[in-house]
Amino acid sequence: QLQLQESGPGLVKSSETLSLTCTVSGGFINDKNYFWGWIRQAPGKGLESVGTIYYTGSTFHNHNASLASRVTMSVDTSKNQYSLQLSSATAADTAVYYCARFAGYCSSTNCYSFDSWGQGMLVTVSS
Amino acid sequence: EIVLTQSPATLSLSPGERATLSCRASQSVSTYLAWYQHKPGQAPRLLIFDASNRATGIPARFSGSGSGTDFTLTISSLEPEDFALYYCQQRDNWPITFGQGTRLEIK
Repeated sequence: QLQLQESGPGLVKSSETLSLTCTVSGGFINDKNYFWGWIRQAPGKGLESVGTIYYTGSTFHNHNASLASRVTMSVDTSKNQYSLQLSSATAADTAVYYCARFAGYCSSTNCYSFDSWGQGMLVTVSS
Repeated sequence: EIVLTQSPATLSLSPGERATLSCRASQSVSTYLAWYQHKPGQAPRLLIFDASNRATGIPARFSGSGSGTDFTLTISSLEPEDFALYYCQQRDNWPITFGQGTRLEIK
């Protein structure tokens, strides 16, 4: 069974870079059928897609330019991991960050949706 | 960017009642719409994909309908464990976007 696990510092200082890694087990990150996403939920807010990456390194960013310009994503297929870096972090980036697998195809079992999620990790940006 | 608008923001119902949640897209997303259930302290759970298909293990009381710009998630008879946040999500176009959520609370 596929499992995803977020890891990284839970506390980041304002203006520094927030860095998270998602480790995938029970499946392969270079599976051509899937993309790998980062989703966050700020306190009292809804879900927000931060960005999505394919195993080749192609990325798809949030439409919000102020967020997209600060996001860097990467994939390490040898470690079955992918990572998020969010530069110039502010208190507004405080959130629970989830990594999740996204089906880039349509079949009887899934279609363009996130079918497996990590448990989430709270990252607090402090001043 | 495709904007998804969910209504109502909060829905107050009792166990056994029928819940109807709405998601409206700013432009057509065909049927590329999914629904998720999210409980505090847990990861979101995929309920419905491709507008009307239940994900693996999802009870039959959950159903989805719609196409184009208007979608509905229906819970036919609410169980105590169904009270949670619900989100819709589209990927007809990149970027992936979520609705702002509907809170289903016990009346």
